[in-house]
Amino acid sequence: DAKTTQPPSMDCAEGRAANLPCNHSTISGNEYVYWYRQIHSQGPQYIIHGLKNNETNEMASLIITEDRKSSTLILPHATLRDTAVYYCIVRGMNSGGYQKVTFGIGTKLQVIP
Amino acid sequence: EAQVTQNPRYLITVTGKKLTVTCSQNMNHEYMSWYRQDPGLGLRQIYYSMNVEVTDKGDVPEGYKVSRKEKRNFPLILESPSPNQTSLYFCASSPSGTGTYEQYFGPGTRLTVT
Repeated sequence: DAKTTQPPSMDCAEGRAANLPCNHSTISGNEYVYWYRQIHSQGPQYIIHGLKNNETNEMASLIITEDRKSSTLILPHATLRDTAVYYCIVRGMNSGGYQKVTFGIGTKLQVIP
Repeated sequence: EAQVTQNPRYLITVTGKKLTVTCSQNMNHEYMSWYRQDPGLGLRQIYYSMNVEVTDKGDVPEGYKVSRKEKRNFPLILESPSPNQTSLYFCASSPSGTGTYEQYFGPGTRLTVT
């Protein structure tokens, strides 16, 4: 599985865009990049995922570099409720064809009023 | 309502006393998984299951057992709990297939082993 590297923490002013980077330089061609977030100690919540192209949904946008070695999650207008830990993960397949998932420690985003 | 449920939500037990944490999903998902979360270590996968009777080890399987006799249930068994298994546990499920998917997480079970 490709490993990911994220900054441990970031701050963002309320109403501004939050740009959360993720490095996954060892990603392989068939691996997707997923983003989740976890508010307090609740169960993580899916945000968005992508393979090569940039993706957008009602929650966020995902920008993946052309070489796929890094990506950025963008929350266009951060609110206080976006304060959470954000996880960037890469979905891998082991030799048996099963789907193993590895989470790192994520980025703790603090949205400041 | 589509959801993943876990029971109990909180549990305090003593070393060596066998326990089971239940996990159930009502979305007909084939993939289910258990994670533990500890401060500074993020979420680590314990076991996962691609379908009924098909399970495999994650990153930290030692001291845990699982079974998948029915599609909707994926219990986590601690045969002889130890204090280092004190943690926050999450169950998750996901649709099957080789395409893209997302995981749906349960609310968590906070386990303390004394």
